[in-house]
Amino acid sequence: EVQLVQFGAEVRKPRESLKISCQASGYIFSAYWIGWVRQMPGKGLEWMGVIHPSNSKTKYSPSFQGQVTISADTSTSTAYLQWNSLKASDTAMYYCVSSNVIVAANVFDVWGQGTFVSVSS
Amino acid sequence: EIGLTQSPATLSASPGERVTLSCRASQSVSNYVAWYQQRPGRTPRLLIYDASTRASDIPARFTGSGSGTEFTLTISSLQSEDSAVYYCQHYNDWLSWTFGQGTRVEI
Repeated sequence: EVQLVQFGAEVRKPRESLKISCQASGYIFSAYWIGWVRQMPGKGLEWMGVIHPSNSKTKYSPSFQGQVTISADTSTSTAYLQWNSLKASDTAMYYCVSSNVIVAANVFDVWGQGTFVSVSS
Repeated sequence: EIGLTQSPATLSASPGERVTLSCRASQSVSNYVAWYQQRPGRTPRLLIYDASTRASDIPARFTGSGSGTEFTLTISSLQSEDSAVYYCQHYNDWLSWTFGQGTRVEI
C-alpha cells in the first residue's frame, strides 16, 4: 500500500526552528516528486514546494521561496520541511503529498495525514 | 501565474439532488485540471484529474468536464458523505500547482 506517514503535531515558540518529516512507503521513493501543501486554520490549500529525491532538485512556490527548506533522505524514504525561524503565521496543517505515483498525471495522488504546527509564545 | 476562481463559495442542497461546481481559469490551461474533496477534519483526496478522469475508487456520481478556462464538477445524486469542501487545481509539466479557493457543499 502506498503511504505517506506524518507525525500529528508540533508546538513551538516564535523564532524557534522546526523540521517536520514524512516517511513514504509502498513505492520507489526516489522516482517521484514529493512535496508539501499548507492549510491555515479554516482556509484553503496552498502548494509550497516539491523535491525529487533522486537528485534533490527542488521547486518552490514563489510564496514560500526563502521561507522554508524542503529536503529528502533516500536511505529512509523520508521528506522534510524545515523552518529556521518560525512565526505565529506559520501555524497551520502541513500535508505531505506525492505526485504521479498512482495516476499518470502531475497531480497530488497520495497525501499524508498532515502535521499540525502551532507557533505561539 | 494562472489563477483559479471557484463558484459558488458555498452550496446547499438536499440528498439525491444534482449539483454543479464551477472552476474558472484566468487563462487557458488545456485539460490540466484536477478536483479534490476534503471532508470535515479529513485529508484531501484526489477525485478527478485531466479534467474528466476519475481516480481509483471514486464513485461514478462524480463527473468532471471542461477544457480551456471553464471546468465543472458534477455530483449527480448527492449523498450525505459528499458534504465537504471541493478544490480545483491546475497543474502542468513545469512543476507548478495552483488551487482554487474551494467550494463548500452542505447537505
